[in-house]
Amino acid sequence: ETGVTQTPRHLVMGMTNKKSLKCEQHLGHNAMYWYKQSAKKPLELMFVYSLEERVENNSVPSRFSPECPNSSHLFLHLHTLQPEDSALYLCASSQDNLAGGGANVLTFGAGSRLTVL
Amino acid sequence: AQSVTQPDIHITVSEGASLELRCNYSYGATPYLFWYVQSPGQGLQLLLKYFSGDTLVQGIKGFEAEFKRSQSSFNLRKPSVHWSDAAEYFCAVGAGLTGGGNKLTFGTGTQLKVEL
Repeated sequence: ETGVTQTPRHLVMGMTNKKSLKCEQHLGHNAMYWYKQSAKKPLELMFVYSLEERVENNSVPSRFSPECPNSSHLFLHLHTLQPEDSALYLCASSQDNLAGGGANVLTFGAGSRLTVL
Repeated sequence: AQSVTQPDIHITVSEGASLELRCNYSYGATPYLFWYVQSPGQGLQLLLKYFSGDTLVQGIKGFEAEFKRSQSSFNLRKPSVHWSDAAEYFCAVGAGLTGGGNKLTFGTGTQLKVEL
């Protein structure tokens, strides 16, 4: 496996279910991200982890719970979601460099398409 | 706070024609600028980036972009479009986060259609 791998690629869940999205990066990066991509809206940054510590939590509802057990893995735990949470959830990773955080290049996975019924 | 505007939601060009996708940004300091492309059902792939130096940057797949500070623009260009270039294109500006990482702010994207 190379790059950033996300599983599952597609997920359908009811509003009372509990599920998790998984992301694994094989690039040796030290930062990982969750983005939400909804139709007609810009990509929304949800969470950022750097060296396994959460450094950004972008006002995301508590029904989304991230977990970063090590620098290669990132999870997004989902519970009691709403239909408006249906979207493509993209995971990304980057390697912090001396040029500054804004210069870090993000590598994205293919995404997990979530449908909430 | 930084922001990115992509004024064109949809663009249609004929195969072989030239292409320019517009991007305007708002950022208080020297910006770190990116163009990504997304094919249907896929994640985002980096096309090119600008950090400093030469304002004309070359990327993959024959794309280039020019940074114009006076116009706060970073337009993407390609001299001759191929049918496989049909995809959605996103411009983004990056800002460092306290504690590490890069807060990328994206535009709403431009959907490119290529007519054969």
